[in-house]
Amino acid sequence: RKEVEQDPGPFNVPEGATVAFNCTYSNSASQSFFWYRQDCRKEPKLLMSVYSSGNEDGRFTAQLNRASQYISLLIRDSKLSDSATYLCVVRPFYGGSQGNLIFGKGTKLSVKP
Amino acid sequence: EADIYQTPRYLVIGTGKKITLECSQTMGHDKMYWYQQDPGMELHLIHYSYGVNSTEKGDLSSESTVSRIRTEHFPLTLESARPSHTSQYLCASSESGSHYEQYFGPGTRLTVT
Repeated sequence: RKEVEQDPGPFNVPEGATVAFNCTYSNSASQSFFWYRQDCRKEPKLLMSVYSSGNEDGRFTAQLNRASQYISLLIRDSKLSDSATYLCVVRPFYGGSQGNLIFGKGTKLSVKP
Repeated sequence: EADIYQTPRYLVIGTGKKITLECSQTMGHDKMYWYQQDPGMELHLIHYSYGVNSTEKGDLSSESTVSRIRTEHFPLTLESARPSHTSQYLCASSESGSHYEQYFGPGTRLTVT
């Protein structure tokens, strides 16, 4: 089982739609969680950290379910500029020490006019 | 906006040449990373460093080498470039601690002919 799994998409949605991405992770002791955004042929950029209680940043809401080892990202009122690949990122914990960040393969979103 | 720089941004070079990809950050981050990413594919960690004079190989085997003589500088060297080395190379840095995200440089797109 891969350490971080995401639906690769693509998700093709109209402007204004609400879209949700899901991600599962295998290391139950993982401590930190992030969503990154990567535009075509660009570097990944941090979109938001994911906190245990869930958190919101404008149109973006992230949720964490530790029991199910599941992370989600909800985008409301999609804009054309939201078109990108969204990477689920987890920091695992191995045998008493933190590992490096593990990046999922990403979910591609295409927002159409 | 993260202060992490990579040069060159694009490089086309012939087989057998020695190349060094430069990465510098001005944030005083202890940890630095090199990733390799082919178009449309996932990120692969090839090297990382937790501080000066500390370097480790990542999850993906790579023929490249790295050095960390100064905190702010983490160059990657290929002694003899081959067409199989054609890829995008992304440098990243982060503060120490479990909840700190990584910031990425703009990447170097390498083509070996």
